[in-house]
Amino acid sequence: AQSVSQHNHHVILSEAASLELGCNYSYGGTVNLFWYVQYPGQHLQLLLKYFSGDPLVKGIKGFEAEFIKSKFSFNLRKPSVQWSDTAEYFCAVIDGGTSYGKLTFGQGTILTVHP
Amino acid sequence: GAVVSQHPSWVICKSGTSVKIECRSLDFQATTMFWYRQFPKQSLMLMATSNEGSKATYEQGVEKDKFLINHASLTLSTLTVTSAHPEDSSFYICSAHRGGRNEQFFGPGTRLTVL
Repeated sequence: AQSVSQHNHHVILSEAASLELGCNYSYGGTVNLFWYVQYPGQHLQLLLKYFSGDPLVKGIKGFEAEFIKSKFSFNLRKPSVQWSDTAEYFCAVIDGGTSYGKLTFGQGTILTVHP
Repeated sequence: GAVVSQHPSWVICKSGTSVKIECRSLDFQATTMFWYRQFPKQSLMLMATSNEGSKATYEQGVEKDKFLINHASLTLSTLTVTSAHPEDSSFYICSAHRGGRNEQFFGPGTRLTVL
């Protein structure tokens, strides 16, 4: 079964610092990869997704992620964070070959950005 | 577009009673909806996949007789927690799969507290 691992439970940064959140998955076949964000008191929103093509994916709000197939990774990055990026971030995977539509989530990373 | 609503947003009930949670896709049709459960400080765990007009598919360890799922139309799925116990207290989130893309849109969640 697919599993998703996010390396950091809680990351604390100052505004303008660079961000990288790690995500690794276990299934080696065709996958669709997602990063979701959950702002305090709000529902999950899609930040970006990778289905195929260019492994460097750009999402909303200046976020990007790079799919490295050989490392089973899909790390999220942002060059300069803002206080408004304070939220919880979830990496998620759909096994493209077998589990139609079934998302497997990582444990989540709480990002706190100090002004 | 792609808005998913849940009702109620929070509910408090007595132990032994049943609670129904609705999930609606407001501006698109969803043949498949998903129900997740999120424990405090933990990730989302898929409970079941709800397919319009057919029986739901439950994940291992999820009691289908306790968590009744009905997907009667292309815009509505319901989750009924039967004979609720305090350990059923949790945050329940639904998502709707938009046809043509392997992508889900999430509802805002329902906080269930069983006394």
